[in-house]
Amino acid sequence: AQKITQTQPGMFVQEKEAVTLDCTYDTSDQSYGLFWYKQPSSGEMIFLIYQGSYDEQNATEGRYSLNFQKARKSANLVISASQLGDSAMYFCAMREYSSASKIIFGSGTRLSIRP
Amino acid sequence: GAVVSQHPSWVICKSGTSVKIECRSLDFQATTMFWYRQFPKQSLMLMATSNEGSKATYEQGVEKDKFLINHASLTLSTLTVTSAHPEDSSFYICSAREFDRVDQPQHFGDGTRLSIL
Repeated sequence: AQKITQTQPGMFVQEKEAVTLDCTYDTSDQSYGLFWYKQPSSGEMIFLIYQGSYDEQNATEGRYSLNFQKARKSANLVISASQLGDSAMYFCAMREYSSASKIIFGSGTRLSIRP
Repeated sequence: GAVVSQHPSWVICKSGTSVKIECRSLDFQATTMFWYRQFPKQSLMLMATSNEGSKATYEQGVEKDKFLINHASLTLSTLTVTSAHPEDSSFYICSAREFDRVDQPQHFGDGTRLSIL
């Protein structure tokens, strides 16, 4: 069964608009971490933001914020004021306490910013 | 901080050749390193997890004898694709983590594009 689900294979957004990338997850662990990574066409994986399962506040990092809804098991990434350089693949990922080391990635969303 | 260096960036070689890819943590000691494979327009697939000084843990379906992983020190892990064939062509990317805590992000190298002719 899919542990991390990203239902948007691709999205087009106008520059300067806000965009929400969806992510839902499945775990029976009480302790887990959620991550978002950006992968430009050059291939490197860039860590964007982290949300812990016990964090009460939604994580924010500059223009990135994570809309964490624990009961719904969703961890959507919100990018405010999108820029052309935001065009990339975005991956949602999870690490469960019980699985110790492994980070599991979703299938990704390709975001394209229109000028 | 938390820089991971992966070398080489590109490899093109003939079928039957063995290829070694290096992954180094430059400014931290990595207790755990990970090797992923990524096909075009797909997600990262974890191949194996390696801890310094011990044998790597391979994911189901990954051939241990085909993909040899060595984690000789806290800053270096290597992936050797033995007797590579065209179907092994892919993007290989390593990552490393300093502490074994659930909130620790993995830091990634820039990846290696492997093309087997």
